[in-house]
Parts: sequence; C-alpha cells; structure tokens
Amino acid sequence: QQQVKQSPQSLIVQKGGISIINCAYENTAFDYFPWYQQFPGKGPALLIAIRPDVSEKKEGRFTISFNKSAKQFSLHIMDSQPGDSATYFCAASIGSGSGNTPLVFGKGTRLSVIA
Amino acid sequence: KAGVTQTPRYLIKTRGQQVTLSCSPISGHRSVSWYQQTPGQGLQFLFEYFSETQRNKGNFPGRFSGRQFSNSRSEMNVSTLELGDSALYLCASTRVGTDTQYFGPGTRLTVL
Repeated sequence: QQQVKQSPQSLIVQKGGISIINCAYENTAFDYFPWYQQFPGKGPALLIAIRPDVSEKKEGRFTISFNKSAKQFSLHIMDSQPGDSATYFCAASIGSGSGNTPLVFGKGTRLSVIA
Repeated sequence: KAGVTQTPRYLIKTRGQQVTLSCSPISGHRSVSWYQQTPGQGLQFLFEYFSETQRNKGNFPGRFSGRQFSNSRSEMNVSTLELGDSALYLCASTRVGTDTQYFGPGTRLTVL
C-alpha cells in the first residue's frame, strides 16, 4: 500500500522555467511533509518542509503548496537551474515534533534542467 | 558540525553471508533511523533507535536487525543475505524534539 503517491516520475524543464512536482497522501494523520533532494552517490538532503497549519511555505526558489482538503502537496522550483538536476522525494510522517515516527516516501521524481 | 557518517561506503557480499553496517549520527542527535533504497521499492523504513531502544520497526523480515550504543552510534545487521537485499542503506539522525532527519551518504550493498 503506497501511502504517498508522487508524480511525475521524471521531468525535463528548460533553464529558467518552473519545475512542479506533486504528491498525494492517504493517511490524514500525517502532519509533517518534507521534500528531499538527492544527487547521485549522495544521501537525501532536506530541502523544505511544511506542516498542515499553513497552505504555502517559500524558501528562496523553492515553494511548497499544501492542500489539506485534497490531501495533496506540491513542490515548485522557480527559475530552475541545471544544478537543480537531481531526484526529488516527497515524504510524510505522523507525530510532528516528537521526532518519533518514520518518514513515508514517495517514489521520487528525476528532474533534468536543460540549458 | 560533522554530518552523519556511514561505513563502509561500499560492500560486496555473496548470498548466505551476513553483513554489519555502521552509522555515526550528528553530534547531539540521539535518534537514528535506517532506510533501504532500491530502484523498485524506493525508500523504505527499516527501524529507528532512540536511547539504545528500538522505537519503530518497518515491515522487513527478522534477518534485518539493528542496535544502538550509548554514544548513539548505530549498527544494522543483515543475516543470510539474499540477492534482493542489494540496495543503498541509508542512516538518518534526528535531534530530540524535532522532525528533520539528516541522512548520511549511505552504504551501497551488492549481493552476488
């Protein structure tokens, strides 16, 4: 049972364009939604995270939009650069603040930003 | 501050053998989680340790086990290796009271 569904599997974006990756979750108990970026040969690195009490969070060129009623959240990368080419994972967990629950990951999106 | 370190970075084993992987969390982090990453299944949670106690366990067979030491360093062990155990094994550490999991570079295990 896949609790977090991520799309698309792969994405090609022109340099300077907007990259959009979507995730949908099933478990309404999830209350922490991070996005991770992973480069080949490296472990995932936290990019940005959101909790369900806000609908949007922005950090630099990265924005998370969160729709609690639709149980969906998305990552927008503005002004995409070749250096953003990586695999992106959305995730969700329960028990925000307790540091006590495992992350459930989406399957990942391989982003390629071409010049 | 040093990040999460994992050793070894690469391992090649044969079916039936056992393997032990090591993880040193970020200084001050007391929670350590382990994940398996494969192309087919993606990132899957194995187990989480806090203060030398397993707090959470994923849906993996008993061949997968782990432990945590008093200095928060953690090891995971896989016994009777199968071809399907070939994967990148990632360790993540978390500071008490927070949710952010910081991942190490992983150990690439190949089972022949």
